[in-house]
Amino acid sequence: GNSVTQMEGPVTLSEEAFLTINCTYTATGYPSLFWYVQYPGEGLQLLLKATKADDKGSNKGFEATYRKETTSFHLEKGSVQVSDSAVYFCALSAHSGNTPLVFGKGTRLSVIA
Amino acid sequence: EAGVTQFPSHSVIEKGQTVTLRCDPISGHDNLYWYRRVMGKEIKFLLHFVKESKQDESGMPNNRFLAERTGGTYSTLKVQPAELEDSGVYFCASRGADEKLFFGSGTQLSVL
Repeated sequence: GNSVTQMEGPVTLSEEAFLTINCTYTATGYPSLFWYVQYPGEGLQLLLKATKADDKGSNKGFEATYRKETTSFHLEKGSVQVSDSAVYFCALSAHSGNTPLVFGKGTRLSVIA
Repeated sequence: EAGVTQFPSHSVIEKGQTVTLRCDPISGHDNLYWYRRVMGKEIKFLLHFVKESKQDESGMPNNRFLAERTGGTYSTLKVQPAELEDSGVYFCASRGADEKLFFGSGTQLSVL
């Protein structure tokens, strides 16, 4: 079945450090890929997405590129801030529309000043 | 515009008791989803409503879980009787005509 594997956390970085959170997936067909973020005390929010191979999703300085050849969708940010501290979830949707999301386990990021 | 609201934010109950979680989706959103995250594991899909109808309940773990969405507005998820392994965070999400999913902040359920 469909699954998502993401880097185990927690990850602790200093402010302005480079961030990578790895995510690989297993799916039939051509899924859409997502990164969601959960800030403390809040619900999950969509951070970025990509719907086809080689697409790059970007938002708030974060980027992820849909790599079909490596079945990956790694999240990167060049310079993290304290306000980026949150839990990050990689997810896929096998088809558009009503297909439920399949999530990874989440990676907790703590950024220290 | 109000977001997805879940109530309560936390619930602590004893094994064997009953708990009811509530989700108020964004007004006008026909699609409502329940997900659950057990500690240290993935967020897993439980079920999907379209208006008041259950579109997909393949993720419901067993018959101790009952979800309803009366009138196609708010939804409840009842666990009866609760077991230790039911502990986790229960998320609700809603979606309108486009694909964007809006999540609530979750209900942290602890079964002792």
